[in-house]
Amino acid sequence: GQNIDQPTEMTATEGAIVQINCTYQTSGFNGLFWYQQHAGEAPTFLSYNVLDGLEEKGRFSSFLSRSKGYSYLLLKELQMKDSASYLCAVRDLTSGTYKYIFGTGTRLKVLA
Amino acid sequence: DSGVTQTPKHLITATGQRVTLRCSPRSGDLSVYWYQQSLDQGLQFLIQYYNGEERAKGNILERFSAQQFPDLHSELNLSSLELGDSALYFCASSVGYTGELFFGEGSRLTVL
Repeated sequence: GQNIDQPTEMTATEGAIVQINCTYQTSGFNGLFWYQQHAGEAPTFLSYNVLDGLEEKGRFSSFLSRSKGYSYLLLKELQMKDSASYLCAVRDLTSGTYKYIFGTGTRLKVLA
Repeated sequence: DSGVTQTPKHLITATGQRVTLRCSPRSGDLSVYWYQQSLDQGLQFLIQYYNGEERAKGNILERFSAQQFPDLHSELNLSSLELGDSALYFCASSVGYTGELFFGEGSRLTVL
């Protein structure tokens, strides 16, 4: 089967750095995505990892270790507008079919 | 604006009724995905279409059905509605099987 685990909630202070972890179990791993979702809005794409290592994109970075089934999203210089849910999603390839499986998300609160 | 259009944005109906949600993917995208997001829950994958054909099925109830038309727009039909079907229904599209997903703003269904 497939399983994705993320912390339910995190709190951090404006200007700080926060790391959101994601662990996954899937038989047909084919890539990992991070999405940001503000309450009641559509998820928006943040980052994509398919090989091990760190991908940096401005204030956001994402890391992947395929052997450990582990990823994290690093947010630097936190701003109030970063208060949102962060969704970890795995692309799974099984029996020739791709599926995008989402975790339940981590709700991040940024405090002034 | 992701380029994915969903209608209606809000829908209130009664138990036992049937509704149809509509999605127009981004121009050029051949894949359409449907997800259900209940309150404080993650995105649950329902079904995927690629160029008019069903490609993958998730936890979609038998009361639910979908199709993708020759112009690539898609419809999700929900019948014999129950209170538990109240949720945000998102449509997403991608160019092929494996690109990042672009989400519409969702259709919020309330079943009373």
